[in-house]
Amino acid sequence: GNSVTQMEGPVTLSEEAFLTINCTYTATGYPSLFWYVQYPGEGLQLLLKATKADDKGSNKGFEATYRKETTSFHLEKGSVQVSDSAVYFCALYTGGFKTIFGAGTRLFVKA
Amino acid sequence: EAEVAQSPRYKITEKSQAVAFWCDPISGHATLYWYRQILGQGPELLVQFQDESVVDDSQLPKDRFSAERLKGVDSTLKIQPAELGDSAMYLCASSPDRGDGYTFGSGTRLTVV
Repeated sequence: GNSVTQMEGPVTLSEEAFLTINCTYTATGYPSLFWYVQYPGEGLQLLLKATKADDKGSNKGFEATYRKETTSFHLEKGSVQVSDSAVYFCALYTGGFKTIFGAGTRLFVKA
Repeated sequence: EAEVAQSPRYKITEKSQAVAFWCDPISGHATLYWYRQILGQGPELLVQFQDESVVDDSQLPKDRFSAERLKGVDSTLKIQPAELGDSAMYLCASSPDRGDGYTFGSGTRLTVV
């Protein structure tokens, strides 16, 4: 079946450090891939997406590249800020009706 | 920027009582979703509407949960009777099409005591 696996958190970084959050997927067909961010007490916000292999999604300094050969969609940011502290969810959509979310990775950024 | 509206923001209820949540999606979004998110976990789909029709409710505990979207616009999710294990964040989301990214509301935090 379709699934998403994210690296376990929490991830703790100092301000201006480089961020990578790993995401791999299992899917039939050609899924669209998404990253969402959730700040404390809030709903999820769409951060970026990619709809086909080798596409790069980007937003607010975050990037992720759709790698079909490694079935991955890792989230990266060159220099994190305290305000980036949140939970990040990787998700996939393969057609049909359902988007599947990963378990989430909590990021703490220290000043 | 258009938002998905949810109410109430917080709800505390006693077990065996009834509780209802309301969601108003972004205007023009045909697809509406209700998700449940247990603390520390990812969202899990409860029910999905395309306009006023349910297209997926396979994970909805139908003995106690019900959902409706009568005119294909706003939606209500009801739990009766509530159980302690229903304590969670209930998230509503909408999208213009099934394959698009979702816009989520701020959620309703339910505590059953």
